[in-house]
Amino acid sequence: GDSVTQMEGPVTLSEEAFLTINCTYTATGYPSLFWYVQYPGEGLQLLLKATKADDKGSNKGFEATYRKETTSFHLEKGSVQVSDSAVYFCALYNAGNMLTFGGGTRLMVKP
Amino acid sequence: EAGVAQSPRYKIIEKRQSVAFWCNPISGHATLYWYQQILGQGPKLLIQFQNNGVVDDSQLPKDRFSAERLKGVDSTLKIQPAKLEDSAVYLCASSLGGRADNEQFFGPGTRLTVL
Repeated sequence: GDSVTQMEGPVTLSEEAFLTINCTYTATGYPSLFWYVQYPGEGLQLLLKATKADDKGSNKGFEATYRKETTSFHLEKGSVQVSDSAVYFCALYNAGNMLTFGGGTRLMVKP
Repeated sequence: EAGVAQSPRYKIIEKRQSVAFWCNPISGHATLYWYQQILGQGPKLLIQFQNNGVVDDSQLPKDRFSAERLKGVDSTLKIQPAKLEDSAVYLCASSLGGRADNEQFFGPGTRLTVL
């Protein structure tokens, strides 16, 4: 079945550092890929998405590129802020199926 | 616009007891989801409703879990009887469209501890 694997956290960075959170997937066909973010005390919210190979999703300075050849959708941000501290979930949707989430990666940004 | 509301936020029960969770989705959202999130894992879909009909309940442990969405708005998820392994956060989400790749809006969740 479909699955999503994320790098384990926590990831601890200083403010203005470069962020990469790795995400790889296993799926048949051509799934859509997502990053959801959960800030402390809040529900998950969609951060960005990409629906086909080589698409780049971007939002709030974050971006991720759908790489079919490496089955990856790594999340990047050039300069993180303390307010980016949250748990980040990679997810995929395969036509007719449910949304499948990875295990989440906690990001902690220190001033 | 108001977000997805869930109650209670926390619940502690003993094994073999019953518990119920309530969800009020965003107004106008036809699709409602219940997820189970065990500590350290991502959310796992339990059941998906489209209006008041069930779209997918393939991962719902039907011997102990039940859910309903009367009148296509609010929903309740019940566990009876609870087991230790049911300790988790139960998330409710809603979306405008009927497919799971439509943006889902999540509530804050109910944290269940089974002793």
